[in-house]
Amino acid sequence: EVQLVESGGGLVEPGGSLRLSCAASGFSFSDSTMNWVRQFPGKGLEWVSSITSSGSPTYYSDLVKGRFTISRDNAKNSLYLQMNSLRAEDTAVYFCTRDSSTSAPFYWGQGTLVTVSS
Amino acid sequence: DVVMTQSPLSLSVTLGQPASISCRSSQSLLYSDGNTYLNWFQQRPGQSPRRLIYKVSNRDSGVPDRFSGSGSTTDFTLKISRVEAEDVGVYYCMQGTHWPWLTFGGGTKVEIK
Repeated sequence: EVQLVESGGGLVEPGGSLRLSCAASGFSFSDSTMNWVRQFPGKGLEWVSSITSSGSPTYYSDLVKGRFTISRDNAKNSLYLQMNSLRAEDTAVYFCTRDSSTSAPFYWGQGTLVTVSS
Repeated sequence: DVVMTQSPLSLSVTLGQPASISCRSSQSLLYSDGNTYLNWFQQRPGQSPRRLIYKVSNRDSGVPDRFSGSGSTTDFTLKISRVEAEDVGVYYCMQGTHWPWLTFGGGTKVEIK
């Protein structure tokens, strides 16, 4: 069974940091490009960041570039998102996804809620 | 950025009747390899999104054949031939042509009348 399990969300003050993790199982993680996608309280979806199977290159939305860092550990089947200098507008549910543009499934985790508020 | 515009914002449909959702992109989604990377996702209440359609018209495994996708270049449509109660949720289009800068439509909420 395929699983993507995010963790690390929570309440943080503006300017603070959080590190999200995503534990993957049930598919070939080390061969997969992975993304972080967020969903705002109003329900809109927004791509945040992507990382190729080897860990490089990485890509970021202009809204998070310079503040967020995506990384992975293929030996641990894990994906990470280090989020610094958090802003109120970063408040969202953050999903870990396995990217696919073909018949291979586009997997989503259950999401982890990040709330940035004082 | 490629802007994806969906319409309508919401749809109230009688069980067994058809439904249609439109998605327009601000740029062509035809990629240099000849493919058009337009996807449709369904998000049921309280659940994560699930992909239904990839490359405009290809159904993912396990997706009922009442769901179909069509379109080209900048104009795309998701159709549900006969709406069932389990189809309630929000539907999103997403372009992957300009990967990694994936962009989503704003969503269309489908409810039962």
